[in-house]
Amino acid sequence: DVKVTQSSRYLVKRTGEKVFLECVQDMDHENMFWYRQDPGLGLRLIYFSYDVKMKEKGDIPEGYSVSREKKERFSLILESASTNQTSMYLCASSSTSPGQGLHYGYTFGSGTRLTVV
Amino acid sequence: KQEVTQIPAALSVPEGENLVLNCSFTDSAIYNLQWFRQDPGKGLTSLLLIQSSQREQTSGRLNASLDKSSGRSTLYIAASQPGDSATYLCAVLGNEKLTFGTGTRLTIIP
Repeated sequence: DVKVTQSSRYLVKRTGEKVFLECVQDMDHENMFWYRQDPGLGLRLIYFSYDVKMKEKGDIPEGYSVSREKKERFSLILESASTNQTSMYLCASSSTSPGQGLHYGYTFGSGTRLTVV
Repeated sequence: KQEVTQIPAALSVPEGENLVLNCSFTDSAIYNLQWFRQDPGKGLTSLLLIQSSQREQTSGRLNASLDKSSGRSTLYIAASQPGDSATYLCAVLGNEKLTFGTGTRLTIIP
């Protein structure tokens, strides 16, 4: 079964810490995404990547950075964690077949519940 | 800007009933539409994907339809079970960006 794996289900960090959230997919997908989900705000796109070493800002990139050194791994970095970054973080991957005009569905990981204290 | 709306926001039905969840979107220029379920505190599980050229997709007790011209999709669940209780999200892919609906919280009453 295809999978997107997020390294931690629950994480508690202190304000000011540098935090790494890891995401690995085993589907050879070229596209990877990081979202955060908050009650009443839905899912918001933080960063995405269409290829190795490529990154694009989403809707709310402030306070975050990303790294994609290998095709299967996409890391989200909180440079200096703050309490307003307490949230559920979701990683996703997808694939595109431009020659066939097809965009395949997104596969999500199980999420990381991050609490910053 | 694409906007995706799901009505109702919450729904409770007795076990065994058939039900329909609705999703509407404002921009018909989409590549595909995807239905997800989310259990409390968990990630999103993909249920059905409909490409823009398709009208419907079926998986077991689930059937999703797409009417791109009117900007609507429905998710039909047959013979509902308590295990179907979850939040259901629709999402449309357009211009390389996935836009999510507001979700419908479904409760199946045993």
